[in-house]
Formats: sequence, C-alpha cells, structure tokens
Amino acid sequence: EPEVTQTPSHQVTQMGQEVILRCVPISNHLYFYWYRQILGQKVEFLVSFYNNEISEKSEIFDDQFSVERPDGSNFTLKIRSTKLEDSAMYFCASSEWGGGRRDTQYFGPGTRLTVL
Amino acid sequence: GENVEQHPSTLSVQEGDSAVIKCTYSDSASNYFPWYKQELGKGPQLIIDIRSNVGEKKDQRIAVTLNKTAKHFSLHITETQPEDSAVYFCAATGTDSWGKLQFGAGTQVVVTP
Repeated sequence: EPEVTQTPSHQVTQMGQEVILRCVPISNHLYFYWYRQILGQKVEFLVSFYNNEISEKSEIFDDQFSVERPDGSNFTLKIRSTKLEDSAMYFCASSEWGGGRRDTQYFGPGTRLTVL
Repeated sequence: GENVEQHPSTLSVQEGDSAVIKCTYSDSASNYFPWYKQELGKGPQLIIDIRSNVGEKKDQRIAVTLNKTAKHFSLHITETQPEDSAVYFCAATGTDSWGKLQFGAGTQVVVTP
C-alpha cells in the first residue's frame, strides 16, 4: 500500500541553525501539507501546497519557514533559523485532491525535531 | 476560524466494551470530518471519515455519526480490543480551506484485557 515517507526520523540541531525536513508524498497525489505537533498538544496545520505554490498557510508559518518541491517526488520544509519553540514532531501529508473537494489526507510517520 | 473541541481526554475501557469519543466544531461551513488513530511514535492514520451530506458511516467495529445542527460528531468503537489502544484525533475542514485540517486535542484510549 502506498505511503508517505519522511526523513530523517529524528533531527537534533542547535538554535539558529537551518534544518530541512524531507517528505516523499504518495506518487499520484497532487496536494501536500505540513503539520506539527508539540509534545502533548494538538496537531497544528502549517501549510498546504499545490501546483508548486502555497495554497494556504497558518500564522505559525512565518518568514522562517519555506516549502519546496525540488523534483517530482520530494517535498521539503525548511526552517531558516531554528528556535527552541520549533521543537516538535513535524508531519507531512498528501492527498489526491484538495481545495474545494475535501479528500483524505495521508500522513507520514513524522520527523522529531529537537532544537537545543 | 474553525475550532474543534474533543472529549474525553482519556478513556479507559474493558476489552469487549464500547468506546465513544465526541467532538464539537464551531464553523457551520465545515463539511469534512476525519478521525485519525495515532500509535506511539507513528503518524496519524485515518480510520474513518464522514462528509456533511451523510449522518452516519460504519466500517466494521468503527462508526461515526454527525449532527450538523448541533455541530458535533462522534466516534464509536464496539467490541474493543487491546490493539485499539492509541490516541484518537478528530478533525474538521471546510469549503473555504485548501484542505487545512483543524484537529481536536486527542483522546488517549486504553483498552484493558
């Protein structure tokens, strides 16, 4: 069964460093998402992405964050200068459709980011 | 924006009993309501979803009900088994959103043999 994959599973970084989290969405999916989950809290939406553009972003997704689909398979989240409060589990998700037609989002296993 | 409240935060049930988790949402325009199961160290896995044009959906031991008037939806698990132990999240999204899921806070379900 197709699944979303994410690398690395755990990333430790120093405050102020840049990190790139990687995701490979399900191959025929067109919509991609990033969510994060701070330990013990809700899963929070960060950004949705379609046709090489951001479709929607939350207030969390400030100028320190960026997303990119550098090739036909990968989808990345970059945090330019990490802060302690960026420590969280980051989930990538993808769906075949989105926007005006609600569709199932499939989540990856997550990347645990620890900022020291 | 949408706000989703989920109760209870923890639920302990005996194996074989039923479990019910309830969620309320604030945005009457929301029209898609998935439920996810998250096991320790894993990402959320979709277990069932419902769209606003139906009131109930069932898949084996799992069912979801939706009351659009009251803006609440519930997950029902019957004949619970130890492997049902996990955190369950409800979520909602609406037509004004490009798929942004608003999640509830989660329910830790523990099924004891």
